[in-house]
Amino acid sequence: NAGVTQTPKFRVLKTGQSMTLLCAQDMNHEYMYWYRQDPGMGLRLIHYSVGEGTTAKGEVPDGYNVSRLKKQNFLLGLESAAPSQTSVYFCASSLARSSGNTIYFGEGSWLTVV
Amino acid sequence: RKEVEQDPGPFNVPEGATVAFNCTYSNSASQSFFWYRQDCRKEPKLLMSVYSSGNEDGRFTAQLNRASQYISLLIRDSKLSDSATYLCVVNKNTDKLIFGTGTRLQVFP
Repeated sequence: NAGVTQTPKFRVLKTGQSMTLLCAQDMNHEYMYWYRQDPGMGLRLIHYSVGEGTTAKGEVPDGYNVSRLKKQNFLLGLESAAPSQTSVYFCASSLARSSGNTIYFGEGSWLTVV
Repeated sequence: RKEVEQDPGPFNVPEGATVAFNCTYSNSASQSFFWYRQDCRKEPKLLMSVYSSGNEDGRFTAQLNRASQYISLLIRDSKLSDSATYLCVVNKNTDKLIFGTGTRLQVFP
């Protein structure tokens, strides 16, 4: 039972490079989310999706793009990485809309932009 | 003002101690509340939901005070394995959960 899987787990980027984080869930969840977690800031929502083919902006969407071409996958893209995007990124999925007791997180992706 | 505020700690307590964390939220329209646990370099995991009447799960007790807009978590008989960061989470019945910054607990022998 994989749950929510994120790849890659660790990545170092140079400023200006692009990359994509992949999130996959095998629970048939409609809702998927991308969060970033920084010291003293807590988890902040970047983008989310309420179903296949849909995306919406969260609290801190600037500098990121997302796509949900398949229900099980939610991709987070950084087109031109900046040092301010150094963070831990968590993907999550939930059965119901932002239900705090049905949301499951991936193990996180540590991104450093130098 | 942050929508969800927690004392960052750390709370350093001996094994067997009772420790309590509080969390305040600013939006009175908030509808559901949760405590999550996050171990170092790991993902957050649901510890327990918080119900209006208060609820207990083993050594853990959660309470909600809507009038004062705060949530509490009480841990009795602390174990070394309870060492973690505890996140307060609030849902305003939108498409978003609001996470607190977390309270770090360190239980020592």
